Formats: sequence, C-alpha cells, structure tokens
Amino acid sequence: KQEVTQIPAALSVPEGENLVLNCSFTDSAIYNLQWFRQDPGKGLTSLLLIQSSQREQTSGRLNASLDKSSGRSTLYIAASQPGDSATYLCAVRLPPNTGNQFYFGTGTSLTVIP
Amino acid sequence: SQTIHQWPATLVQPVGSPLSLECTVEGTSNPNLYWYRQAAGRGLQLLFYSVGIGQISSEVPQNLSASRPQDRQFILSSKKLLLSDSGFYLCAWQASYNSPLHFGNGTRLTVT
Repeated sequence: KQEVTQIPAALSVPEGENLVLNCSFTDSAIYNLQWFRQDPGKGLTSLLLIQSSQREQTSGRLNASLDKSSGRSTLYIAASQPGDSATYLCAVRLPPNTGNQFYFGTGTSLTVIP
Repeated sequence: SQTIHQWPATLVQPVGSPLSLECTVEGTSNPNLYWYRQAAGRGLQLLFYSVGIGQISSEVPQNLSASRPQDRQFILSSKKLLLSDSGFYLCAWQASYNSPLHFGNGTRLTVT
C-alpha cells in the first residue's frame, strides 16, 4: 500500500526566506504527484501537478520536483510571503487499473512571519 | 472556466437525522467526481468516487451513500447520522485520470 509522508509537520520562517517542503512516498510506481495548499476551514487549492515522466513543474514562485526512484518530491517556495501561510499537502496517484485512490500526506503547516 | 460548487458551507445536525450534501461542477462534461472526509489533524479519507452517471464506487463501508443523478452533480447522503460522521466533507473533480484534482470549499458537518 502506498504511504505518503510529509516532514516536518510544521514550519515557521521569516518573510523573504526561500524554503523547501518535502513529500516522500513508498511505492515509486506512481502515475503523477500533485501539490495543494489548504487555508484554514477551506478546501484544497491545486498548485502543481507533475506527471511521472516529468522532473519538475514551475508556477510563479513555486517549483515542484519529482524523483521517482528515490520516492521523493519537493516544493520550493521562493521569497516567501505572509500570504503563503497555509498547510501544504502532496498527493500521489498510482497508474490506471490500480484503483482510483489519491494517496495524501498529512501536510506541512507553514507560517511565514512578517 | 470550470468551477465547483459545494453547499452548505456549515451544517449542524442531531444524531439520527438525515443528511444531504450537494456538489455541482460547471464548465466540463463527464468529470470524475469524489467525496472526501477530512478529520481534524488527519489526512483525507476517500469516501466515494464516480466516473459517470449512476456509477458509484465506495471506498469505506459506513452509513453514508452517494449518488450521481446528473453528469455534473454528486450528492452525499445519510439516512441516520452518527456522532462519528462529524467532520469536514470535501467534493472534488477532475477532467480525466491524468488531470489535476480540484476541490470545492467543503462542508463542516457537526453532529450533536
């Protein structure tokens, strides 16, 4: 069974700092991996989707990388801002015909201090 | 553009009462639809998913059920709520298997 881990569970950084969030998964035979942010009391907002054939995806100040062989993905946030404060979750998808599950991590709660 | 609507935002219901949560998607056709539950401090639990009208798959045996009466409508129901049904319920959709998953704003259900 696929297990997804996000360490640390919480992270606090000063504004302007670059930071990296980690996501690890146990089964490297993934189909894709998606990063989300969740603000308190809200749904999840999609940030980036990386297909298994890709190594990275970029959107604005965000860059997500994927290393399937080592079972890891990182989300890099450049020049962090207080508005980046949220919980960040990753989710992996296995290939078709293996079920319709997205396997979610429990998230990293990020606080950016002004 | 595609949007997802989920309502109500909050709901307080007594034990033993029925439940109906609705989710609709606009701007796409034949989406994959999902119901998740998120308990405080825990990950997301997949409850139901649907790949087409009338096609519902259940991931967790419980007193909840789901229906998809129209292509872009997904309903989560219960005949009698339990205290353990309290939680944050999220509807999600995706255009195809390799497309991003998009979530609604969720419903906070409190069973008293």
